[in-house]
Amino acid sequence: NAGVMQNPRHLVRRRGQEARLRCSPMKGHSHVYWYRQLPEEGLKFMVYLQKENIIDESGMPKERFSAEFPKEGPSILRIQQVVRGDSAAYFCASSPPGTGKPTDTQYFGPGTRLTVL
Amino acid sequence: GNSVTQMEGPVTLSEEAFLTINCTYTATGYPSLFWYVQYPGEGLQLLLKATKADDKGSNKGFEATYRKETTSFHLEKGSVQVSDSAVYFCALSGAYSGAGSYQLTFGKGTKLSVIP
Repeated sequence: NAGVMQNPRHLVRRRGQEARLRCSPMKGHSHVYWYRQLPEEGLKFMVYLQKENIIDESGMPKERFSAEFPKEGPSILRIQQVVRGDSAAYFCASSPPGTGKPTDTQYFGPGTRLTVL
Repeated sequence: GNSVTQMEGPVTLSEEAFLTINCTYTATGYPSLFWYVQYPGEGLQLLLKATKADDKGSNKGFEATYRKETTSFHLEKGSVQVSDSAVYFCALSGAYSGAGSYQLTFGKGTKLSVIP
């Protein structure tokens, strides 16, 4: 059973460009979470999605950031007009359907390391 | 709000030494507690978890006990190996019911280096 897949693993963008990060959850999982890890910091929650629905985006910056999880295909985290402060590791996690309970284990992908020049 | 505080690293130990990484939390309600491990260049892997007071999570020789009275979830291992070198994160979720209870709140991480 493949784990959570993220691509690309490393992404370099110049200021003002767009960054698209993709996440494929574990097989059978329908809950997706995105977290951001700044250097020397722990992970911070960004957004929680189910298929075709954003459940909670309370951790997302108000501008330039958006996320989707379409009926078909991976979840996408999109950052428009990137700035140097967006440089971080972005992790996706998934959990099984019918849950979303706080006792659930979230399974993490390897992360995408975004560098903004 | 919810928060997790871990002992600051880095921690350097010799092989077969005893390991303790302290973790305390602040939360309302009854959170679930987790330890995740991150090996260099990789994502987070769940190491162990506990979902109610006095539960003990254990895996690969690591243990942690959910202590509600001291709001702690310290990670211990009796004899560390070089392969245990990694960053360890303490986290909590479900500190309150309703919206957002699934969010994991992480500590800053503790880097462990084990030398032969």
